[in-house]
Amino acid sequence: DAGVIQSPRHEVTEMGQEVTLRCKPISGHNSLFWYRQTMMRGLELLIYFNNNVPIDDSGMPEDRFSAKMPNASFSTLKIQPSEPRDSAVYFCASSVRDSNQPQHFGDGTRLSIL
Amino acid sequence: DAKTTQPNSMESNEEEPVHLPCNHSTISGTDYIHWYRQLPSQGPEYVIHGLTSNVNNRMASLAIAEDRKSSTLILHRATLRDAAVYYCILGPGGSQGNLIFGKGTKLSVKP
Repeated sequence: DAGVIQSPRHEVTEMGQEVTLRCKPISGHNSLFWYRQTMMRGLELLIYFNNNVPIDDSGMPEDRFSAKMPNASFSTLKIQPSEPRDSAVYFCASSVRDSNQPQHFGDGTRLSIL
Repeated sequence: DAKTTQPNSMESNEEEPVHLPCNHSTISGTDYIHWYRQLPSQGPEYVIHGLTSNVNNRMASLAIAEDRKSSTLILHRATLRDAAVYYCILGPGGSQGNLIFGKGTKLSVKP
């Protein structure tokens, strides 16, 4: 079975540019989570969706960050404009809501902002 | 949010059992205890979770203290592939939404 698929795996871009990270959750999962991981702050939850609706975006660092889930099989995390301090590994995870089932994580996108 | 306390690092020898401790003295009655691990350059991976009773699965065992203020993840026979950061997390059982990851325990396995 295909797991959570994230793209791209690596992204290097210059500050000020728009960055879009993509995630395809596991089919049948109706909860989706975006995390960011840095050496300094560890793994932080940015936002999560239930049934394509954002439930908690309190972890989104600032207005430069936005996330959408237009349908059950696709989500994006956008940074505009990007800054060097946004450099991190971004993970997407999905699960089945209210099922006592674990979260399944993708392999992440390693983002470097120069 | 209830917090957990784990040692920063532990070492183990290959093929020996490993006991990874976690303290959670402020756990609430509805908090489940979840364990995830993260291998190098990979996303976190679910290991096991439980509420009150000890739990076993193909990966590990979870021993929960009677007062629920601490728990221990047991790897029965460590392999080199078990070298990872292990996270002990408190959270809701259903959907496991909004898991708050701490710094975890970095487990090294020596051949």
